[in-house]
Amino acid sequence: ETGVTQSPTHLIKTRGQQVTLRCSSQSGHNTVSWYQQALGQGPQFIFQYYREEENGRGNFPPRFSGLQFPNYSSELNVNALELDDSALYLCASSSGQGVAEAFFGQGTRLTVV
Amino acid sequence: AQSVTQLGSHVSVSEGALVLLRCNYSSSVPPYLFWYVQYPNQGLQLLLKYTTGATLVKGINGFEAEFKKSETSFHLTKPSAHMSDAAEYFCAVSVGTGFQKLVFGTGTRLLVSP
Repeated sequence: ETGVTQSPTHLIKTRGQQVTLRCSSQSGHNTVSWYQQALGQGPQFIFQYYREEENGRGNFPPRFSGLQFPNYSSELNVNALELDDSALYLCASSSGQGVAEAFFGQGTRLTVV
Repeated sequence: AQSVTQLGSHVSVSEGALVLLRCNYSSSVPPYLFWYVQYPNQGLQLLLKYTTGATLVKGINGFEAEFKKSETSFHLTKPSAHMSDAAEYFCAVSVGTGFQKLVFGTGTRLLVSP
C-alpha cells in the first residue's frame, strides 16, 4: 500500500461549478502528477508539479489548474465543470521528475450532473 | 510520439490457465515500459517495469513481462491464473526528457472463470 492519499474519494458537482481535489504525496517525494481516467479509458496526463512549479502539461484546457504546496501536497482545480469532466482523477507522486518510481493514490471519482 | 497499444479490450481465461496480455509500443528512443493493475474503484498498482538491463522482468503476484525490441512488444504473462487476478491491466510508456509522464494504453480487462 502506498502513502499517496487523495480526498475526497467521491463527489458530485453540477455543471458550471468549480471543484478542488487534493493529493498528499508519499513521504520523501517532491513531484506530483495528475491524470484523468474517463470511464473505460486509460489515464490521461493533465499536468505535473515539481518543487511547487508546474513543469509539464498535457492537452487540457486552462480551466484545469493546480498548486503544489511546500510540503509537496497538491491540489487540482477545475473551473466551469462540464459533463465530460466526469472521471476518476488520479495523482501520482515520485521523487524527481522521473516516473520510474511513481506511486498512485486511490483516486477521486468526480461526477458532473 | 511514444505510445502503447493493447490488443484486446477483454481477455477471458479459466483459473489455472496461462494469462497473456499483449502490449506493443511505439518509441523513437529506448523506452521505459510499465504494467499497472487496477481493481474496481481503486487506483493503479505497479506490477512491473522495464528500464534498462535484463529484458525479462519479474513483478508482483507471479507476473512477468519480456521486452522484445525487435517486435516492439512488452507482453504480460502469468503461468497460472487465479481468481484474484481479475482486474483491469494497463500498459504504459514513459515520455519526456526534462520531465517524464506516463502514456497509457486503453487497458485490458482480465476475466477469470472457475
